[in-house]
Amino acid sequence: AQKVTQAQTEISVVEKEDVTLDCVYETRDTTYYLFWYKQPPSGELVFLIRRNSFDEQNEISGRYSWNFQKSTSSFNFTITASQVVDSAVYFCALSQLGDKIIFGKGTRLHILP
Amino acid sequence: ETGVTQSPTHLIKTRGQQVTLRCSSQSGHNTVSWYQQALGQGPQFIFQYYREEENGRGNFPPRFSGLQFPNYSSELNVNALELDDSALYLCASSSTGISYEQYFGPGTRLTVT
Repeated sequence: AQKVTQAQTEISVVEKEDVTLDCVYETRDTTYYLFWYKQPPSGELVFLIRRNSFDEQNEISGRYSWNFQKSTSSFNFTITASQVVDSAVYFCALSQLGDKIIFGKGTRLHILP
Repeated sequence: ETGVTQSPTHLIKTRGQQVTLRCSSQSGHNTVSWYQQALGQGPQFIFQYYREEENGRGNFPPRFSGLQFPNYSSELNVNALELDDSALYLCASSSTGISYEQYFGPGTRLTVT
């Protein structure tokens, strides 16, 4: 069975601090895809990144970076120099591309000014 | 390029009633997936439609049904509404065979009283 666990329910940090959101996944598939989505108060899911199971290279996009480690089944997300606009719920998710997406329960991130 | 749209934005229904939610897929996309997001939870897969046929279903009872039309837009119907059906309903469109990336709409917030 596929499962995504986001152990951190809620995190609060002061603006400009770095913060890491943890994600652990379970799957028996050898080919799979991992995602991070952001959900601001408006409710719309904003796609942040997709990684396939064969690409363990870490990725950096501006203040965002992702650390994919197959050995520990983890796909962690770090925001550097956090800003108030980063406040949102963040979801880690897993799928076989084209198939249903399995979401974690989300981590609510509060960036305090 | 028009993104995924959903209507209505908000809806209030009474227990036992029936509801229809609508989704217009992104231009060029032939697959629509529906998700239910209860308060404080991650989205859960309801079902997916590809070329007007159901193409996968999550753990939802038969009173959740759907349709996909020749223009690839879709409807989600829920009969005999229950209080626990109160949630944000998200639609995602994708293009099977070209790019499987799922693009989410803004959602319909359903409240059952």
